[in-house]
Amino acid sequence: GNSVTQMEGPVTLSEEAFLTINCTYTATGYPSLFWYVQYPGEGLQLLLKATKADDKGSNKGFEATYRKETTSFHLEKGSVQVSDSAVYFCALLTGANNLFFGTGTRLTVIP
Amino acid sequence: SQTIHQWPATLVQPVGSPLSLECTVEGTSNPNLYWYRQAAGRGLQLLFYSVGIGQISSEVPQNLSASRPQDRQFILSSKKLLLSDSGFYLCAWSVTRTGGGYGYTFGSGTRLTVV
Repeated sequence: GNSVTQMEGPVTLSEEAFLTINCTYTATGYPSLFWYVQYPGEGLQLLLKATKADDKGSNKGFEATYRKETTSFHLEKGSVQVSDSAVYFCALLTGANNLFFGTGTRLTVIP
Repeated sequence: SQTIHQWPATLVQPVGSPLSLECTVEGTSNPNLYWYRQAAGRGLQLLFYSVGIGQISSEVPQNLSASRPQDRQFILSSKKLLLSDSGFYLCAWSVTRTGGGYGYTFGSGTRLTVV
């Protein structure tokens, strides 16, 4: 079956710290992979995506690389800011076109 | 530009009462529409999707139903709410059922608390 496993939160970091949020997946076929972000009081927004193996998605200083060999799509940012505080969801889109989400990881960045 | 509206933002309803959540999309035609739910401590779960007017597919059996009376309107309903229906409900749309690798666009969500 299809599933996404995401590191449990909450994650609390100081400003300018390095961020990694782990995400691994199980899927049949070759899914597309996404990171969505939900800022406080808002809906989900697409943060970045990768549609095939070895692709790197990037946006707003965040990066994630589609690793087929380890079935992973870890989210990284070199220097987080207070404004990055949000809930981050890893997701995969299957060939049958359903979007499967992880449980979300809440990130809090403190000044 | 395309926008998606979802309301209400929060809702507190007693057990056994009916439910109607509405979602509308602007700036696009014939979108694929989705209802997701996030229960406490769990990921987002696809409840319903629709590829056209009057076409509804259910992903999980439950106390809820969905309808699409117009091209850009998607409604989530229940005749009698259960405590287990509490959660965060998100409407989303995509250009095609394939998603095209572009992902989905989500509304701002409705937090439903059944008491």
